[in-house]
Amino acid sequence: QQPVQSPQAVILREGEDAVINCSSSKALYSVHWYRQKHGEAPVFLMILLKGGEQKGHDKISASFNEKKQQSSLYLTASQLSYSGTYFCGTEISNSGYALNFGKGTSLLVTP
Amino acid sequence: DGGITQSPKYLFRKEGQNVTLSCEQNLNHDAMYWYRQDPGQGLRLIYYSQIVNDFQKGDIAEGYSVSREKKESFPLTVTSAQKNPTAFYLCASSTWTGVYSPLHFGNGTRLTVT
Repeated sequence: QQPVQSPQAVILREGEDAVINCSSSKALYSVHWYRQKHGEAPVFLMILLKGGEQKGHDKISASFNEKKQQSSLYLTASQLSYSGTYFCGTEISNSGYALNFGKGTSLLVTP
Repeated sequence: DGGITQSPKYLFRKEGQNVTLSCEQNLNHDAMYWYRQDPGQGLRLIYYSQIVNDFQKGDIAEGYSVSREKKESFPLTVTSAQKNPTAFYLCASSTWTGVYSPLHFGNGTRLTVT
């Protein structure tokens, strides 16, 4: 089941903050976040695990609400380099099944 | 440097022909994956393999086939049975240590079938 991401797109000025959400209808074991720039491969940002353990990336942080099966990605003081499409990938159990990705959130940071 | 190599970057084929996309990794990763990316659709899983000589279907496996004869290689064949094969194809790999490790992606192959 593909997780649902919101918003679909967001435009920010440099220095502004943004939140991207990822929701699943299934109980989640972990949530991954990736960023893809146009024409390039997705790049890993972080993993959030059931139980609260988080592995971060620079100034980008995230949360994982196990009760709501939701994760949110927080981008603070955005930089031009934050522009790209952000994908969440969800794992519904620690069974070795591959990630299901959302449709992505397009983020554009302008000067 | 370790990484994942997908070739070719662009591929053009006539309708009705099978085509094989190459994916090689030298990261010593156990698991490998194929995703298809269409505009506005995110990444959809085609096939994945956790060990050599074993693979499982993903959500959109129809019209595709794979093999995993070597740990380093996971080629994807797009068959003539795939009704809409034109897309961007991404290969990825990861380790498996009981907790999923990050996926490392290749740079993709853009397939155009006319």
